[in-house]
Amino acid sequence: SQQGEEDPQALSIQEGENATMNCSYKTSINNLQWYRQNSGRGLVHLILIRSNEREKHSGRLRVTLDTSKKSSSLLITASRAADTASYFCATSSGGSNYKLTFGKGTLLTVNP
Amino acid sequence: KAGVTQTPRYLIKTRGQQVTLSCSPISGHRSVSWYQQTPGQGLQFLFEYFSETQRNKGNFPGRFSGRQFSNSRSEMNVSTLELGDSALYLCASSSSGGTSGKGSSYEQYFGPGTRLTVT
Repeated sequence: SQQGEEDPQALSIQEGENATMNCSYKTSINNLQWYRQNSGRGLVHLILIRSNEREKHSGRLRVTLDTSKKSSSLLITASRAADTASYFCATSSGGSNYKLTFGKGTLLTVNP
Repeated sequence: KAGVTQTPRYLIKTRGQQVTLSCSPISGHRSVSWYQQTPGQGLQFLFEYFSETQRNKGNFPGRFSGRQFSNSRSEMNVSTLELGDSALYLCASSSSGGTSGKGSSYEQYFGPGTRLTVT
């Protein structure tokens, strides 16, 4: 069963604009991670935020976590055509930090 | 460091056959996880191995099995293939520090996947 649910399912923007994707989950988590996947290839780890953290930055990425609302958001600033991909949030919970539960993903299209 | 490698990259099998997929983790990583990705079910966790022991298991039937060798390389096997087993199978490695958690990093590094087609 899916723990995370990303919103929106698909997002289309112009190069240079910001893209925001949201993720909601159902149970308490240890940490939440965001991954990117280009067209049916392997996933690339973007950022991890622990349950006791509220915000984290990495380059053009900004992730927030609201454990009271069981939600997270991923912001990509100044998007580029190369950011076109599917983005997934993944959570781990309980004693299983290495058992990730993924959402269905957001397909981001950045138009040149 | 070389990334996670998976072999083969593509595979076509017939219903009822069995298949073995291989994964070599990043050097020094001792945790290897397997995921199945399909359009309908998305990404689903199969199992995770650490130090040759299955540490976590997902909700898949017993036809799906795996193992890990002393060099951390892992294989997964699917017996009696069904059409619904057609999927992208992804392997991921992580630098788990074991039960103490010391040296653990929970980021997972994925291989390119094996695309299995069952006809």
